Amino acid sequence: GESVGLHLPTLSVQEGDNSIINCAYSNSASDYFIWYKQESGKGPQFIIDIRSNMDKRQGQRVTVLLNKTVKHLSLQIAATQPGDSAVYFCAESGSARQLTFGSGTQLTVLP
Amino acid sequence: KAGVTQTPRYLIKTRGQQVTLSCSPISGHRSVSWYQQTPGQGLQFLFEYFSETQRNKGNFPGRFSGRQFSNSRSEMNVSTLELGDSALYLCASAVQGLGGVNEQFFGPGTRLTVL
Repeated sequence: GESVGLHLPTLSVQEGDNSIINCAYSNSASDYFIWYKQESGKGPQFIIDIRSNMDKRQGQRVTVLLNKTVKHLSLQIAATQPGDSAVYFCAESGSARQLTFGSGTQLTVLP
Repeated sequence: KAGVTQTPRYLIKTRGQQVTLSCSPISGHRSVSWYQQTPGQGLQFLFEYFSETQRNKGNFPGRFSGRQFSNSRSEMNVSTLELGDSALYLCASAVQGLGGVNEQFFGPGTRLTVL
């Protein structure tokens, strides 16, 4: 069945360094991908999205890369800050318009 | 603009009881989706409502149901609660556009504990 998985469950980075969070998906029909950030006690917060007709999209300090050939998605966070510490989820959607979420990566920013 | 609100924020029930959770979407949003989040299964899609009609449904038993009102507010109901239903229930709203899936805005969730 459809699944979206993350390569690493935890990631620790030094403050100021760049972070890269990876995600693999299995549904080749997926055409919309999103990254969410979830802080403790809160609902997921939208970070950035990308459609399948693109391979890169940039936001403020974040970049999402999509490699459809290997069905891989990554989130890059520049100059990681303590406030970036959270669980990051990738999600994908196809024609069904429902989101399938990955298992999440816990990002910890070290001082 | 006010965000997605969910009530109650916390709920404790016992096995066999039923529960109703409420979600008020962002003004102007017509799509409301519900998700269950647990440590073991992660975020799983329950169902989506648009214009008072269930448009999509995930793989959950019939004990999980929902509805949407004409003002786009939505409720979900879980009957005959089981211990495994303990979870964070998240609601997300979205604007229905022409391109398919739109950005979903999540509420803070309702933490349900079944004893």
